[in-house]
Amino acid sequence: AQSVTQLGSHVSVSEGALVLLRCNYSSSVPPYLFWYVQYPNQGLQLLLKYTTGATLVKGINGFEAEFKKSETSFHLTKPSAHMSDAAEYFCAVSDQHRGSTLGRLYFGRGTQLTVWP
Amino acid sequence: SQTIHQWPATLVQPVGSPLSLECTVEGTSNPNLYWYRQAAGRGLQLLFYSVGIGQISSEVPQNLSASRPQDRQFILSSKKLLLSDSGFYLCAWSGRAQKETQYFGPGTRLLVL
Repeated sequence: AQSVTQLGSHVSVSEGALVLLRCNYSSSVPPYLFWYVQYPNQGLQLLLKYTTGATLVKGINGFEAEFKKSETSFHLTKPSAHMSDAAEYFCAVSDQHRGSTLGRLYFGRGTQLTVWP
Repeated sequence: SQTIHQWPATLVQPVGSPLSLECTVEGTSNPNLYWYRQAAGRGLQLLFYSVGIGQISSEVPQNLSASRPQDRQFILSSKKLLLSDSGFYLCAWSGRAQKETQYFGPGTRLLVL
């Protein structure tokens, strides 16, 4: 079974500071992992994803995440926070596997990022 | 490029009234389609998914139903709304080539009074 735990429902940082949002997953198959961002009253926007290959994945808006199999983690980072990064961030794991016609996504409960000026 | 539309954007309905939310996808064929509900403090809940026209799978028994009358159209319905149906409804699609990656629409905010 697949599940995601996001540690910390709220994270606050100062503008220019490092952003670190934590995500740990559980998966019965080699995982596909995702980070989405949601701005108020909007849908979810894909930030980045890991499927295979390089374990350090770069996404949009300067975000990146590293897949660490030994730690079952996929933490999201950004070296320098910007005011526009304030949003809710969701980590997700897919149960997609070879031959399947469908990939369900299992989401964490989200982390609200606040950026202080 | 692909785009996904949802309407209406916002809806206020009385308890016991019917519901119809529509989602359409452009720029792709034979997508997988999904309906999610996002309630305050409860994360995202997958309600229905569809791998083809007329093929609907329900994840959670509830007051809602879904239909897919056309390849790129996905409809969420209810005959009688409950207060607990309030929430933010999100439609998503994934393609045949990268079916693990879902792309979300702008959402519909539903308030049942």
